Amino acid sequence: DIQMTQSPSSLSASVGDRVTITCQASQDISDYLNWYQQKPGKAPKLLIYDASNLETGVPSRFSGSGSGTDFTFTISSLQPEDIATYYCQQFDSLPFTFGQGTRLEIK
Amino acid sequence: QVQLVQSGAEVKKPGASVRVICKTSGYTFTTLAIHWVRQAPGQRLEWMGGINAGNGDTKYSQRFQGRVSITRDTSASTAYMDLSSLRSEDTAVYYCARVVRGGVCDYWGQGTLITVSS
Repeated sequence: DIQMTQSPSSLSASVGDRVTITCQASQDISDYLNWYQQKPGKAPKLLIYDASNLETGVPSRFSGSGSGTDFTFTISSLQPEDIATYYCQQFDSLPFTFGQGTRLEIK
Repeated sequence: QVQLVQSGAEVKKPGASVRVICKTSGYTFTTLAIHWVRQAPGQRLEWMGGINAGNGDTKYSQRFQGRVSITRDTSASTAYMDLSSLRSEDTAVYYCARVVRGGVCDYWGQGTLITVSS
């Protein structure tokens, strides 16, 4: 199975800050990577697909980049409603696997 | 609008089986796939398997091979996930998700809590 490792596991930042989360795959997954946001007690929400494409309706402060094994997710200006856990997910090969999540808190 | 509505929470005893239902609406069911993902308390999301709603082809994670079965009823635009031989480690929230391409899950059900306890 492809292992997905996110960093950091938790992050505290202030409103307006630029926030960056990284995700590393244990092998080359090209750009078959998605990013999801999950708020407590809620289902995940797709934010970024194919590593860098913004899902329809998602604010443009969210972005993604990378290919191969190293990926980055960025919030350009943190808003209070962005408090959530963020997960990367590879879909290059089965079983699809997720990172361990990054819990984002407001400082 | 696209909706995936799941069946309600259940409590099961070890060794029992459970069926989680995912009723879809707002799109043509047979054109896309439905996948199932679970999340144990405090854990990461875990992919279990999926079904091509058009031709019924299924794929499963080896971790659940033999214990999980995913089916669908095209006339009801509904997918089902059956998990057998339940153990305490299966206590989790189970999600269905619509897959638009490859593994891109763009719409999710609200989740179903399955608690396995004696």
